[in-house]
Amino acid sequence: DAMVIQNPRYQVTQFGKPVTLSCSQTLNHNVMYWYQQKSSQAPKLLFHYYDKDFNNEADTPDNFQSRRPNTSFCFLDIRSPGLGDAAMYLCATSRDNRGRYEQYFGPGTRLTVT
Amino acid sequence: DAKTTQPNSMESNEEEPVHLPCNHSTISGTDYIHWYRQLPSQGPEYVIHGLTSNVNNRMASLAIAEDRKSSTLILHRATLRDAAVYYCTLQVTGNQFYFGTGTSLTVIP
Repeated sequence: DAMVIQNPRYQVTQFGKPVTLSCSQTLNHNVMYWYQQKSSQAPKLLFHYYDKDFNNEADTPDNFQSRRPNTSFCFLDIRSPGLGDAAMYLCATSRDNRGRYEQYFGPGTRLTVT
Repeated sequence: DAKTTQPNSMESNEEEPVHLPCNHSTISGTDYIHWYRQLPSQGPEYVIHGLTSNVNNRMASLAIAEDRKSSTLILHRATLRDAAVYYCTLQVTGNQFYFGTGTSLTVIP
């Protein structure tokens, strides 16, 4: 089945130690999104790629970066994680970014910062 | 500023219809309305979406007000598997996707 895969499902990192979360898709979608979801809150969009074009949300901290080396893979880099960055990180894909098509979400990576 | 507002929680009896409301008074003409649902420790799951007209699919129906400032997700017969947090979201021109605060639906057997 075509799907959105996130690895690892659970990640523990130390305060200030860089961490990378990965997402891959077999849907061949043009758009890949990264969301942050804190406990009991709604997902919050961090940024997205349309093909190779990177679109950052205005309030996304500089501590968060992303890379998309090819259509299938997208990475979320947190350069210096703080305790406040502990959250579920969700990757999603879509055919385009105009809302005409639905988003497909991965299962998420739960990040713990110690 | 909140793009969508939803009740925090709702209850429904099993096998009865459920109407989940959402207000999006600042919606623009090209903003799509999407609904997703999420179970604990899982990624959101797509339910339905629309622009202006009412929409039906195998999971639910979406009723969009004529002025588009509100919409209602309709589950025709609630089952225990429908218990989840339902998010009303807007795809805003300029590519942003705004999730509402979500409605936690409890289905009573």
